[in-house]
Amino acid sequence: SYVLTQPPSVSVAPGKTARITCGGNKIGSKSVHWYQQTPGQAPVLVIYYDSDRPSGIPERFSGSNSGNTATLTISRVEAGDEADYYCQVWDSDSDHTLFGGGTKLTVL
Amino acid sequence: QLQQWGAGLLKPSETLSLKCAVYGGTFSGNYWSWIRQPPGKGLEWIGEVNYSGASNSNPSLKSRVTISVDTSKNQFYLKLNSVTAADTAVYWCARAPSRGDGYYMDVWGKGTTVIVSS
Repeated sequence: SYVLTQPPSVSVAPGKTARITCGGNKIGSKSVHWYQQTPGQAPVLVIYYDSDRPSGIPERFSGSNSGNTATLTISRVEAGDEADYYCQVWDSDSDHTLFGGGTKLTVL
Repeated sequence: QLQQWGAGLLKPSETLSLKCAVYGGTFSGNYWSWIRQPPGKGLEWIGEVNYSGASNSNPSLKSRVTISVDTSKNQFYLKLNSVTAADTAVYWCARAPSRGDGYYMDVWGKGTTVIVSS
């Protein structure tokens, strides 16, 4: 079955750029969606179709996807960006969706 | 908007039952999903149902999961039978606008904490 691999944690200083990766076999051929989850809250969609932003999501959030790695990039990181981030794809072989293990973003 | 509810405390072997009501927007044309998160762990997709009642679920839970819909009430439901402590989690209902590559969850309920304990 398809597997998505995320680093458990990423740390970044305020104002810098955070990059969170999501690895999977030929993930570039799939559409990747990203969620932000703060403690005690439901996940919030921040990127869909690799790089599209829902309304209300700051332009600081962007995404890319190629080869075996998709990347969520957060520019000019703020303290409020500290959260868990999950990638998600549809696995057509098994006809279901799955999430990566999640990455905890810490703002130093 | 999605409003969910259901029993929060179950004993092992009982059946988990959750409901999710859809307010506003279009009930048809979307896929209605259930996702859960055990304490301290990541997100797990449980399954989905569409307007016509066609459902699909995570192979790891398939034998215990029933997801259904009542279009007259704009509601959909999750039943998970024979629960164990491993089913302790926060459960969310969510909307996905389409299947396949377009399957992303853009609207979520507030979540229901379910604890399985004897």
